[in-house]
Amino acid sequence: DAKTTQPPSMDCAEGRAANLPCNHSTISGNEYVYWYRQIHSQGPQYIIHGLKNNETNEMASLIITEDRKSSTLILPHATLRDTAVYYCTPIIIQGAQKLVFGQGTRLTINP
Amino acid sequence: GAVVSQHPSRVICKSGTSVKIECRSLDFQATTMFWYRQFPKQSLMLMATSNEGSKATYEQGVEKDKFLINHASLTLSTLTVTSAHPEDSSFYICSASSGLGYNEQFFGPGTRLTVL
Repeated sequence: DAKTTQPPSMDCAEGRAANLPCNHSTISGNEYVYWYRQIHSQGPQYIIHGLKNNETNEMASLIITEDRKSSTLILPHATLRDTAVYYCTPIIIQGAQKLVFGQGTRLTINP
Repeated sequence: GAVVSQHPSRVICKSGTSVKIECRSLDFQATTMFWYRQFPKQSLMLMATSNEGSKATYEQGVEKDKFLINHASLTLSTLTVTSAHPEDSSFYICSASSGLGYNEQFFGPGTRLTVL
């Protein structure tokens, strides 16, 4: 399984953009980059995923480097409710494959 | 996204008793379900993978006789913690996947188990 490296914690001011990096230098060609977040005492919530192109949805944007060795999750206008632990994880494209979670980044949004 | 539920959300039991946790996919058929355990301030650790109608595959270090997993239907998987002890106290989370198309897993809200 590809390993990921994320900063253990980050702080961001409310209303500003939060940029969360993830290094996945050993990612395979058939693996997408998925991002989940976990708010305290809840199950993980899917945010976004991508293969090699940048992606955007109603929650966030995902920027993947051309060599696919790293990515950045962007929360454009962070709110207090975005305070959570954010996990990036490579996942094989098809079939039900197990997820391997790293330690994630604990993002704190400050008022 | 698809909805996955867990029941109960919180359970307290005495040491030595068994506890069953249910995981249900409410609006899709889950050919595969995963069970995770999470200790305080730690990441989720995969315990086992269960496919409907077959035996679960356990991760290294997880006792299959202690954590019994049944995936009898496409919408229900159960995890039974047998002879629970205080060290089994944890947050148990399931996820479900239809296995079709993109591999997207939907997570349940988790079950907080406290063994006294």
